Amino acid sequence: DAGVTQSPTHLIKTRGQQVTLRCSPKSGHDTVSWYQQALGQGPQFIFQYYEEEERQRGNFPDRFSGHQFPNYSSELNVNALLLGDSALYLCASSPGGPRQGFYGYTFGSGTRLTVV
Amino acid sequence: SQKIEQNSEALNIQEGKTATLTCNYTNYSPAYLQWYRQDPGRGPVFLLLIRENEKEKRKERLKVTFDTTLKQSLFHITASQPADSATYLCALRLYSSASKIIFGSGTRLSIRP
Repeated sequence: DAGVTQSPTHLIKTRGQQVTLRCSPKSGHDTVSWYQQALGQGPQFIFQYYEEEERQRGNFPDRFSGHQFPNYSSELNVNALLLGDSALYLCASSPGGPRQGFYGYTFGSGTRLTVV
Repeated sequence: SQKIEQNSEALNIQEGKTATLTCNYTNYSPAYLQWYRQDPGRGPVFLLLIRENEKEKRKERLKVTFDTTLKQSLFHITASQPADSATYLCALRLYSSASKIIFGSGTRLSIRP
């Protein structure tokens, strides 16, 4: 049973460029959340998608946007990259509904983004 | 201000001993608390969840306690093994937010043979 799949695993971009990261959730999961993890820190919530809509957003600027497709996969887009956007970007999936997260979230291995 | 604090220093434990990790929070009302394990270059892996009305949860060699009066959770690994070496993260799910969990910065645990 495949877990959460993220691509690419590593990426180097230049300041000002745009990037798209991809996530396929675990089979049977319909909710996808994105997190940013800086070195030595815990993951920070960016936003969550459910039924192709952004359900909740964390404290991130509008440069961060996302999308969920009918097959539940998701993309994270970041525009006008800054050096401070360098981080590990994690995708987490779970079943939706009121007991969301009750059995934990399944995380992918992440995309390591370096902005130079 | 709202904070989640975990042992900032790395924890070094002799194999076979019990490792105890601490998670303290302020100005949050959690519905439940989760513990995750994270290895270098990998995503977090879910270990245990404890609800705000539960005092203790166990799973094999793992035990979690949750004291909402002290605003603290303790995570214990008994009979620790070198394979338990990793960073451990606590995370809160709040009553006010069904969608996100808020992570602490993690504690790095090293088990020496």
